Amino acid sequence: AQSVTQLDSHVSVSEGTPVLLRCNYSSSYSPSLFWYVQHPNKGLQLLLKYTSAATLVKGINGFEAEFKKSETSFHLTKPSAHMSDAAEYFCVVSPMNRDDKIIFGKGTRLHILP
Amino acid sequence: EAGVAQSPRYKIIEKRQSVAFWCNPISGHATLYWYQQILGQGPKLLIQFQNNGVVDDSQLPKDRFSAERLKGVDSTLKIQPAKLEDSAVYLCASSLNRVGNEQFFGPGTRLTVL
Repeated sequence: AQSVTQLDSHVSVSEGTPVLLRCNYSSSYSPSLFWYVQHPNKGLQLLLKYTSAATLVKGINGFEAEFKKSETSFHLTKPSAHMSDAAEYFCVVSPMNRDDKIIFGKGTRLHILP
Repeated sequence: EAGVAQSPRYKIIEKRQSVAFWCNPISGHATLYWYQQILGQGPKLLIQFQNNGVVDDSQLPKDRFSAERLKGVDSTLKIQPAKLEDSAVYLCASSLNRVGNEQFFGPGTRLTVL
């Protein structure tokens, strides 16, 4: 069985400072992992995905995430936050076999302070 | 490439009434998902189709919710009768296939049950 845990429900950073959104997963198999972003009153948009290729994954808008199997983590980072990054971020584990389910984390609300 | 289309975008009904939502996935996508997203929470998978067959409906309240995907293309989700707690955004997503693929989300239907 798979699971995903987003360790922080809210994160606040100042504009121009680094962003770290934490995600831990549990899976019997090597999973596919995704980060999605949801801006207020907007649809979900894919930021980046890991599908067993390079462990450091680069996404849109300067975000990246590193898959660490030993730590079962897939944390999302960005070197310098922008006001437009304020949104809800979801970590998602997707099945690599037909017995597992797609699971969304509960989300992390990112606040950017001026 | 056209995205995932959903209609209506907004719906207000009274409890015990019925409502239906429509989704047209991206052309060629075999897998279609319906999610329920209650305010402040992450999306919860209600039902997943592979072509016109149901893969997972374990979280679908089958006493009041139903969904179909005739001909393996577009899909409808119905609620009958609606309850106050069904107020949420209903998201439709599609992917090329069910294992390890990125999901593309529609804009969602915001349902308010009074």
